[in-house]
Amino acid sequence: DQQVKQNSPSLSVQEGRISILNCDYTNSMFDYFLWYKKYPAEGPTFLISISSIKDKNEDGRFTVFLNKSAKHLSLHIVPSQPGDSAVYFCAASDSGNTGKLIFGQGTTLQVKP
Amino acid sequence: EAQVTQNPRYLITVTGKKLTVTCSQNMNHEYMSWYRQDPGLGLRQIYYSMNVEVTDKGDVPEGYKVSRKEKRNFPLILESPSPNQTSLYFCASSLSNRPTNRGRSTYFGPGTRLTVT
Repeated sequence: DQQVKQNSPSLSVQEGRISILNCDYTNSMFDYFLWYKKYPAEGPTFLISISSIKDKNEDGRFTVFLNKSAKHLSLHIVPSQPGDSAVYFCAASDSGNTGKLIFGQGTTLQVKP
Repeated sequence: EAQVTQNPRYLITVTGKKLTVTCSQNMNHEYMSWYRQDPGLGLRQIYYSMNVEVTDKGDVPEGYKVSRKEKRNFPLILESPSPNQTSLYFCASSLSNRPTNRGRSTYFGPGTRLTVT
């Protein structure tokens, strides 16, 4: 039973335009959300995060929006660059002490020059 | 340079032949974990360790063992590998078990691609 879902396996955008990656979750106990970026043959690297007490967090070209009532978060990349082409994973952490991150399936973003 | 290293990076083995994937971090992190990545499923936690000699099961622990005798090392052991353990494995470490604003970076190793025939 997938608690974190990324329903779009892939996304293709033109360089300079906005990329919007979406993520849905089912567990209302999740209190922290993170986005990771993964290039081929490398491990995921942290991109941006948001606490459940906020609805927006911005870091340069990257902004994450959280809609708790809809149990939905999105990652906006503006402007998109070819170097952003990678697999993006949404992850969630609950308020327990296991430290476990629950990951979505991933979305492959391709930014075309 | 802060990093998590895993060895080997690629491994092809046969059913039943015991193997160990090593993981080491140089950041003095307390919390370490193992994940496996499978198509359509994302990353799923296998085992985690809060500190030396403290380990616990994640979501998919069957067929795996771990040990944490030193803070920096967290090997993953497959006593009798089976084909359903063919996967991409990631070791990860973080300062604590909580993804706080400062320590929110969980560092991942480069991955180990395991094929069991």
